[in-house]
Amino acid sequence: KAGVTQTPRYLIKTRGQQVTLSCSPISGHRSVSWYQQTPGQGLQFLFEYFSETQRNKGNFPGRFSGRQFSNSRSEMNVSTLELGDSALYLCASSLRSQGITEAFFGQGTRLTVV
Amino acid sequence: DQQVKQNSPSLSVQEGRISILNCDYTNSMFDYFLWYKKYPAEGPTFLISISSIKDKNEDGRFTVFLNKSAKHLSLHIVPSQPGDSAVYFCAASVEYGNKLVFGAGTILRVKS
Repeated sequence: KAGVTQTPRYLIKTRGQQVTLSCSPISGHRSVSWYQQTPGQGLQFLFEYFSETQRNKGNFPGRFSGRQFSNSRSEMNVSTLELGDSALYLCASSLRSQGITEAFFGQGTRLTVV
Repeated sequence: DQQVKQNSPSLSVQEGRISILNCDYTNSMFDYFLWYKKYPAEGPTFLISISSIKDKNEDGRFTVFLNKSAKHLSLHIVPSQPGDSAVYFCAASVEYGNKLVFGAGTILRVKS
């Protein structure tokens, strides 16, 4: 079956702009989580959506937002981009939200802010 | 406050020998632990997990050990192969929700 698909793979934006990243989870998976990876920081949890509802949120400013659609696809938006937002943004999907199952990651979107 | 720590940024091992990657955590509420492997330009790939009710889980060449009293887990790879060279992330979670807390990662280099 198809894996987690993230688009676009690479993106270059200017400071102050906004960006929208997309994630299509594995078919049947209803939970989608977003992570930011920067050098030396590992993966930092942004938020998790399940059945179109945000269930968990990490410690990121309000400029970072997301949503999930009825088909479980998710988008993440970052407004008023800053240089420090340059990172690899990873989306993960899993089968269920209550109780842990393995999360499957997409290849990520590499965002560069100049 | 880093709740999951991987104190070794890198590890170099000879092919065929054992690789031991370590991870410490501070949050006693964590009850599920996972290891992920990541190659450059790819997303992390799930390797192996362990529930807090166990102290060991094996899957082929990979074994994860959990010491709850020490809040420590380790990943053993035996025998190590050059293809194992990657960044290894330890992650932890509580039962509710899918918020994974990751360590900073350890770069493993397996020399042939």
